[in-house]
Amino acid sequence: DTAVSQTPKYLVTQMGNDKSIKCEQNLGHDTMYWYKQDSKKFLKIMFSYNNKELIINETVPNRFSPKSPDKAHLNLHINSLELGDSAVYFCASSPESLNYGYTFGSGTRLTVV
Amino acid sequence: GEDVEQSLFLSVREGDSSVINCTYTDSSSTYLYWYKQEPGAGLQLLTYIFSNMDMKQDQRLTVLLNKKDKHLSLRIADTQTGDSAIYFCADDQGGKLIFGQGTELSVKP
Repeated sequence: DTAVSQTPKYLVTQMGNDKSIKCEQNLGHDTMYWYKQDSKKFLKIMFSYNNKELIINETVPNRFSPKSPDKAHLNLHINSLELGDSAVYFCASSPESLNYGYTFGSGTRLTVV
Repeated sequence: GEDVEQSLFLSVREGDSSVINCTYTDSSSTYLYWYKQEPGAGLQLLTYIFSNMDMKQDQRLTVLLNKKDKHLSLRIADTQTGDSAIYFCADDQGGKLIFGQGTELSVKP
């Protein structure tokens, strides 16, 4: 039933580890996004994919690599995790018509210790 | 420019109206949005306004857009304790949503 689902909801890991966050949407949307929300609640776009093709790549370290195996999935892999990567990561999707805005997942809280 | 700005906090009494303000810099935006985030949850689209409109009403929500001043506001009538949350305005710029810092609305009984 869930429109945009992310797993895991919580992720606690040590510095230097590699981790992945998965995202799936069942809305039939063509475009998917990753946003990062920091401790001050500021939301910043990281990546955007349209029908499996990367269209937006903000100034994100190379340690972050998105992968879209099909248009319903957009995963985020993070190598060599650092303390500053601790944040809530939101996946979102949108249809072609922008008046519906984006539909967000419930977020993955990543804590790097 | 990408700047979208909001004041950080607003406190109101239950039953009063709340007005949350937002300014943006990109004059080419087609839509502007208001999202709500409750603690520990994702963002929920509350309402949006097309850039050629100056007002939109949706039940207790009224959105006002002053395109000349690049100012957007969200009025919540008869504010309830369940309205306590963080409210984000967002501006669509070239295929990506740019968010303000969020306004934390606290509703006191």
